[in-house]
Amino acid sequence: GAGVSQSPSNKVTEKGKDVELRCDPISGHTALYWYRQRLGQGLEFLIYFQGNSAPDKSGLPSDRFSAERTGESVSTLTIQRTQQEDSAVYLCASSSQRVDYGYTFGSGTRLTVV
Amino acid sequence: DQQVKQNSPSLSVQEGRISILNCDYTNSMFDYFLWYKKYPAEGPTFLISISSIKDKNEDGRFTVFLNKSAKHLSLHIVPSQPGDSAVYFCAATADTDKLIFGTGTRLQVFP
Repeated sequence: GAGVSQSPSNKVTEKGKDVELRCDPISGHTALYWYRQRLGQGLEFLIYFQGNSAPDKSGLPSDRFSAERTGESVSTLTIQRTQQEDSAVYLCASSSQRVDYGYTFGSGTRLTVV
Repeated sequence: DQQVKQNSPSLSVQEGRISILNCDYTNSMFDYFLWYKKYPAEGPTFLISISSIKDKNEDGRFTVFLNKSAKHLSLHIVPSQPGDSAVYFCAATADTDKLIFGTGTRLQVFP
């Protein structure tokens, strides 16, 4: 597709359950990023994939969070044993090799943990 | 440690006037700065950027100014329009690494 696609757009889950969020980047974009925005907060970096390099996981808040990317294609962000503080909008973005050209963001997945 | 700061959570401006959104940063290694606009229920969209070798970049109604010695950048919107009402995020990167975002400023342009 022409843009970054994320699914689902909304997810409500019970505390303690695992969730998986999906991101389809723009074709040909080598870099893929996950951010989250909690209510009233800014964009918090989570993880970054660039080509075949080891991902930059420095933003993952706990070991309950993990992400995978298949080549330069789809990425999934998994949150295990969800907690209420995980409630946020999870945003995926992709870019060409030149991040200074800017990212293209998806519309996000709104996760609500009840 | 917040490396990119937007100290004004909100700004209200009358249509036709100038909107000035401010951003401060602490990391002197940042060499590229970007502004994003975000509408509710949508992802942020890229607006304008500036390299650290410049002090000004203009694109239509939008101008970004960079003051490296003060580690400060600002976005000017002239004239402001109601459709500009959104949350604006500044972001910075060092050596084309990931973007570090500020906390955002909500701009409201009223008639």
